[in-house]
Amino acid sequence: SQTIHQWPATLVQPVGSPLSLECTVEGTSNPNLYWYRQAAGRGLQLLFYSVGIGQISSEVPQNLSASRPQDRQFILSSKKLLLSDSGFYLCAWSVADTGELFFGEGSRLTVL
Amino acid sequence: KQEVTQIPAALSVPEGENLVLNCSFTDSAIYNLQWFRQDPGKGLTSLLLIQSSQREQTSGRLNASLDKSSGRSTLYIAASQPGDSATYLCAVRLYGGSQGNLIFGKGTKLSVKP
Repeated sequence: SQTIHQWPATLVQPVGSPLSLECTVEGTSNPNLYWYRQAAGRGLQLLFYSVGIGQISSEVPQNLSASRPQDRQFILSSKKLLLSDSGFYLCAWSVADTGELFFGEGSRLTVL
Repeated sequence: KQEVTQIPAALSVPEGENLVLNCSFTDSAIYNLQWFRQDPGKGLTSLLLIQSSQREQTSGRLNASLDKSSGRSTLYIAASQPGDSATYLCAVRLYGGSQGNLIFGKGTKLSVKP
């Protein structure tokens, strides 16, 4: 069966520091991968998606970037965090034929 | 622009009651609709996926229906239990547009009282 792992679960970082959140999927090959952000009162917002290694599409201009160095690995990064980057970040993957989306456990980022 | 609305934002019911959660969307040209459950501080768990050609899907005590013409979906929970307490979100995937971009509602927070 397929599983998705996301880490770290919780992160407290000062403004201006770098960020790296990692996500890996097991039990499937060539998944579509996604990074979402969930902010209180604003719902879920798609940040990046990837249909293959090195293929990244950005949905929202922001202080963040994403990379996919391996088929089942997706990384969310920032060189300098802003206060507004605080939030709950969710990695997800989808089944190609049905489009069903599966989420990881999330990473809570607090920027101070 | 597709908008997804979930009403009510919060719902409290006694244990054992059957209940219906509502999801409405403005553009009927959807590829599919998915219902999720989210526990506090956790990720989203997929409950049911309804393709645009389907009318309903069932899993255990859950039944989701889809009426594209009216832009509505409902999630029916039978014989509710305290363990069903969570936030329930619906999301629609559009034809065309950015791949993978689901439009989410803001959720209904369900509380089932023992």
